[in-house]
Amino acid sequence: KAGVTQTPRYLIKTRGQQVTLSCSPISGHRSVSWYQQTPGQGLQFLFEYFSETQRNKGNFPGRFSGRQFSNSRSEMNVSTLELGDSALYLCASSFGLAGASRASETQYFGPGTRLLVL
Amino acid sequence: GDSVTQMEGPVTLSEEAFLTINCTYTATGYPSLFWYVQYPGEGLQLLLKATKADDKGSNKGFEATYRKETTSFHLEKGSVQVSDSAVYFCALSPSYNTDKLIFGTGTRLQVFP
Repeated sequence: KAGVTQTPRYLIKTRGQQVTLSCSPISGHRSVSWYQQTPGQGLQFLFEYFSETQRNKGNFPGRFSGRQFSNSRSEMNVSTLELGDSALYLCASSFGLAGASRASETQYFGPGTRLLVL
Repeated sequence: GDSVTQMEGPVTLSEEAFLTINCTYTATGYPSLFWYVQYPGEGLQLLLKATKADDKGSNKGFEATYRKETTSFHLEKGSVQVSDSAVYFCALSPSYNTDKLIFGTGTRLQVFP
């Protein structure tokens, strides 16, 4: 069974540009979450999508946005890039269980996209 | 709000030494608890998890027990190997309606032969 895939793996952009990152979840998984990892702030939750709807959002500015397609693939977009957006962006997928089982469900992470903003 | 606190690293050990990485949490309700591992240049891999009090998660010689009375989920391994060198993250999944994982700051483990 193929794991979570993310493209591209590495990206270099300049300030002010915009970027789109892609995530393909494990087959059968309908929930996709995004995280930003930096040395200073650690791992921070960006947002979560299920069945093409954003279910939860972290505390990031509106420059960060995402979407999910009918095949559960997800993209995240960062507009007007800033130097502080340099990070490893991780995508995670899960079945997206409902109710009491949701907290116990395992999320499977992709290898990440490393973004460098110059 | 919910949070996870991990011991500071790096933790430096000789091969075959005993490992403990401390993790405590603050959460409402009954969260699930996880340990993830990150090898250099890679994403996160689930190491083990526990979903209710007194559960013990185990995998590849690593163990952690969900202690509600002390709000802890310490990671242990009896005999570490050089290949265990990585960054270890403790995380919780809140009991309320979200897939969001809340992570600790990570603990770097370095094992020398």
